[in-house]
Amino acid sequence: EAGVVQSPRYKIIEKKQPVAFWCNPISGHNTLYWYRQNLGQGPELLIRYENEEAVDDSQLPKDRFSAERLKGVDSTLKIQPAELGDSAVYLCASSSEGRGADYGYTFGSGTRLTVV
Amino acid sequence: QKEVEQNSGPLSVPEGAIASLNCTYSDRGSQSFFWYRQYSGKSPELIMFIYSNGDKEDGRFTAQLNKASQYVSLLIRDSQPSDSATYLCAVNIVYGNKLVFGAGTILRVKS
Repeated sequence: EAGVVQSPRYKIIEKKQPVAFWCNPISGHNTLYWYRQNLGQGPELLIRYENEEAVDDSQLPKDRFSAERLKGVDSTLKIQPAELGDSAVYLCASSSEGRGADYGYTFGSGTRLTVV
Repeated sequence: QKEVEQNSGPLSVPEGAIASLNCTYSDRGSQSFFWYRQYSGKSPELIMFIYSNGDKEDGRFTAQLNKASQYVSLLIRDSQPSDSATYLCAVNIVYGNKLVFGAGTILRVKS
C-alpha cells in the first residue's frame, strides 16, 4: 500500500510569490490533514478535511492561505503571496474517516518551503 | 498553558541506558495518546499509542499513562545511537478529532 504522497519535496521561492503543495492520501482514507511544522516546533494543524469538506480550518491564515480537496481525494494547499515567516515544513496526513485522532495517522514526507 | 508540553532537551543518555521522555497535557477529556519519532529532515513516524492508564510495552519501548496527573511518558530501554531523534508527544483533542503535538524532546544516545 502506497503511503501519503506529497510534492514537491523542496521549494524555494522569493517573498510575495505564490506557491502550491500537493498531497495524495492513502487510498480509502477519507480524512486529510495539513500541518505546518516550524523549526524546533511540533506540527500544528492548518486544516482538516472529511472527504471534500473542510471541517476545521480555524488555524488556516485565510488572508493568504487556501486549500481545496476536489472529489475528496488529493488536496492542494496554496500560499499567495508568501512571506518570510511561511518558511516551514508542510506536512500532509491521512486517516480512515473519524479514526485519526483515535488511532493516530500517517504523515507524508512533507514539503520544505524556504521563502527568501 | 500549552495543550501539550514537553521538555525540549536535549536529553543525552549513554548507549544501553534507559531514556525517559515525558509529556503533560491540559485537556482532561483526551482519550488517546501517541508518541512519534522524527529523524532530522524526515517526517514524524508513529511508534506508540496508549489509551488506558498504566503501561504498554512494545519491544524496547514502553508508554506510560496517568490520566489523573495528565501525564504520559515513553521509556526506551537499551538505548541505541539509532534512537537519536526528536520524540513528539501527541494527544487527541476530543472536540476537534485532531491530534495536538508537543514541541518535541531531542534525544541523543552516545556510543
